[in-house]
Amino acid sequence: ETGVTQTPRHLVMGMTNKKSLKCEQHLGHNAMYWYKQSAKKPLELMFVYSLEERVENNSVPSRFSPECPNSSHLFLHLHTLQPEDSALYLCASSRDRTSGYNEQFFGPGTRLTVL
Amino acid sequence: GNSVTQMEGPVTLSEEAFLTINCTYTATGYPSLFWYVQYPGEGLQLLLKATKADDKGSNKGFEATYRKETTSFHLEKGSVQVSDSAVYFCALTEYNFNKFYFGSGTKLNVKP
Repeated sequence: ETGVTQTPRHLVMGMTNKKSLKCEQHLGHNAMYWYKQSAKKPLELMFVYSLEERVENNSVPSRFSPECPNSSHLFLHLHTLQPEDSALYLCASSRDRTSGYNEQFFGPGTRLTVL
Repeated sequence: GNSVTQMEGPVTLSEEAFLTINCTYTATGYPSLFWYVQYPGEGLQLLLKATKADDKGSNKGFEATYRKETTSFHLEKGSVQVSDSAVYFCALTEYNFNKFYFGSGTKLNVKP
């Protein structure tokens, strides 16, 4: 595997379910990100992790819970979601904040539908 | 604060037409500028970048020049193909920061 991978690619869940999204990067990066992409809305940054420490949380509802067990893996745990949470969830990684200009590398996304 | 504004789409062109997608930015420091492309059903891919004023980024026939005087980074291509149909995002980040600021995206439709 190369680059940034995300699983599952598609997920349908009810509002009472608990599920998790997984992201893995094979680039040796130290920073990882979750974004939400909704139709006709700008890309929304949700969480930023640098060296496994959460450095940013953009007022995301508590029904989204991130976890970064090591620099290669990032999870987004989901529980009691709402239909408006249906979106494409994108994971990205970059080298780290102390390496100057860091382009972000994106995974293919998980298409989430909440019924 | 930092922000990116890009032209609203969709932009519809015929094959071999000239493409311009406008992007302007606001930044507190000295940003790097990027264009990302998102093909249907996929994540964002870096298309090109420029890290300082007057730099020109180029890739796959696309070009953009970092214009500090007009705070712009317009994307251009001389002859588009059907395979260029995608959503294009302008973005900026600043030195020693993890955070990217993305524009809202411009959808390009190229017809044969």
